[in-house]
Order: sequence, then structure tokens, then C-alpha cells
Amino acid sequence: GAVVSQHPSWVICKSGTSVKIECRSLDFQATTMFWYRQFPKQSLMLMATSNEGSKATYEQGVEKDKFLINHASLTLSTLTVTSAHPEDSSFYICSAGGTSGRYNEQFFGPGTRLTVL
Amino acid sequence: DQQVKQNSPSLSVQEGRISILNCDYTNSMFDYFLWYKKYPAEGPTFLISISSIKDKNEDGRFTVFLNKSAKHLSLHIVPSQPGDSAVYFCAASSGTYKYIFGTGTRLKVLA
Repeated sequence: GAVVSQHPSWVICKSGTSVKIECRSLDFQATTMFWYRQFPKQSLMLMATSNEGSKATYEQGVEKDKFLINHASLTLSTLTVTSAHPEDSSFYICSAGGTSGRYNEQFFGPGTRLTVL
Repeated sequence: DQQVKQNSPSLSVQEGRISILNCDYTNSMFDYFLWYKKYPAEGPTFLISISSIKDKNEDGRFTVFLNKSAKHLSLHIVPSQPGDSAVYFCAASSGTYKYIFGTGTRLKVLA
């Protein structure tokens, strides 16, 4: 299957700082990438969908000015959590949609654990 | 509004027996369903999927059944192994890449 990487795998930051998380599709071109957030013992909640070269589409309740998404190329999408606060602490997972032959395939990254102090 | 639900938050099964995980959905526009396995602090791993034109798909120890009239799908794992212990998410899609995930079921396979 296709490989998606995330960097960093974990990050601890102070309240008020910004954190950037990278999501890369390593062996295929991803026209669409997704960002999810998972709180402990809860489901994966879709935050936004990004298409290469265009603005991201945010789900209801997700602040687009707080969670900046850039999908500048077919292999890289970034999520920047601006002015992070402790309530933003969560596990962030990206996935990439590609033309793998499977119907509507999404390939998931390993996730990034964000802790805001 | 939870469009995809997994009503059992946890399930314990003896090694070698069958594990049955259930998932219900409300949106009749969903046409593709998937099951993912997830370990803590890792991304989901794809297990098996099924299109709405089918009612069963099998891959090794994993079989997914779809009952469209009941808007219900289930994942059967036979025989269950200790390594299968994880959280299982079902997901649904309606003609796009966008998935809606269920709330997850934590499976524990007892040796």
C-alpha cells in the first residue's frame, strides 16, 4: 500500500505558540489530503479536506484561522495550529487520497501527538 | 448527528473464537464501507472494505457483511488472535474521498 508520513511524531509546546505538522505521501501523488483529530477514547473527527493548489474545506465547528492548512504540492500538506492552547492537545492524523486502484482509497499517516502546556 | 455508529465500545473474545464487530449507519447515500484497525498513538490501518453493490467480502480471517436494508454492517474475525486486540473503526463514504468514522470498538482477544 501507499506510504504516508507525518512529522513530527510528537511535539510539546507552550501555550500561545504555533506548531506546524507535515504530512507527506511518499510514493504517490495525493490530489486530496485530509486532517483528522482524535481525542482519547473518541472517534477520528475530520477537521478539513485539502486539495492541491486550492483552499481547504473545513468541517463545521473547526476554526480555519486557528488550523491553517496548506496543500502546496501533490505530496505535501501542512497543518499549522496557531496560538495553541491546552485544549488543542490531541492526536492529529492526516490521510492522503490517491488513485491506487481501490475505490476512494485513503492512506493514513502515523499521527502526531500534540501536547500544549 | 452521528451518521456512523458503533454501539459496543468494547468487546472481549477468547482466542480462537469468532469476533463480531457491528456498525450502523443512517445515511442511505453511503456506497462504500471500510474497516480500520488502530493501535494507540498510531494511524489507522486498512483492513477490509465493501461496496454497496455487494453484501459480503472476505479476506483471509476477515469478512465484512453488509445489510443495506437494515443499514448495518459487521466485521467477523475468525479465528481471533491476541494480535487482533486493538480499536476497530468502521467508516462510510458516499462517492467521494471523504470518510465518516464510527466511534470505535475496542477488541480484546484473551489468550
